[in-house]
Amino acid sequence: DGGITQSPKYLFRKEGQNVTLSCEQNLNHDAMYWYRQDPGQGLRLIYYSQIVNDFQKGDIAEGYSVSREKKESFPLTVTSAQKNPTAFYLCASSMRMGEFTDTQYFGPGTRLTVL
Amino acid sequence: SQQGEEDPQALSIQEGENATMNCSYKTSINNLQWYRQNSGRGLVHLILIRSNEREKHSGRLRVTLDTSKKSSSLLITASRAADTASYFCALGARQLTFGSGTQLTVLP
Repeated sequence: DGGITQSPKYLFRKEGQNVTLSCEQNLNHDAMYWYRQDPGQGLRLIYYSQIVNDFQKGDIAEGYSVSREKKESFPLTVTSAQKNPTAFYLCASSMRMGEFTDTQYFGPGTRLTVL
Repeated sequence: SQQGEEDPQALSIQEGENATMNCSYKTSINNLQWYRQNSGRGLVHLILIRSNEREKHSGRLRVTLDTSKKSSSLLITASRAADTASYFCALGARQLTFGSGTQLTVLP
C-alpha cells in the first residue's frame, strides 16, 4: 500500500520530556509537512521540508525540531520548550512544492497528551 | 499568509438533503482546495479548483469559485451519514493554510 504512516497513534508525555513523532511516506514525494491541530481548530504549520537535508520553519515552530535525512522520513521532536504540546499532530506530503500547490496527502495523526 | 474562513461553523442536515458550505478569503489565489476530516483522523483531499476555473465536479461534490467575490462553495448533494465530517478549505502557493472548518452532521 502506498501512503503515509504516523506512529504512535497515541502518545503520553510527562512534563519536561522530549518526544519524537514518526512520519514515513512511500509515495516518493519530495515535500513533507508537520501540522498541529487543536480541538475545533484548523491546522497550523509547524515545519516543512522541500527536499532531503532541508527544512523550514512554519508558523508555530517554537519548541519543535525536525530532521530530513531520508526522503521517506520526517520525524518531529516535541521538546520540553513547547509550553502547550497537548494536541493532534498531522504529517503530510506532496509531490513537490512549486508555484502552484500540489495536493497534500495526510497521515492518520498522532494524539499527544502531556500528563 | 493566506487563510480561508469557512461558513457556517456547524451544519446539521437530514440524510438525502444537500449540504452547502462556503469559504471566503482576502488575498488573490492561484488555486483553492477542499479537504475532509473524519473525527480523529487525517485529512483527505476532495477537490482542487484553479483560479481560472469557475466550477468543478467530483461525484456528489460540486465546488464553485468566484474570484471577484473571493469566495468558494462546496456542495454535497444527496448527503449520507458517512458524509459526517469536518470540511476545510485550504489556500496557498508554497504552503497551505487551513481555516477552522465546517462541522457537518448528517442525521440518518
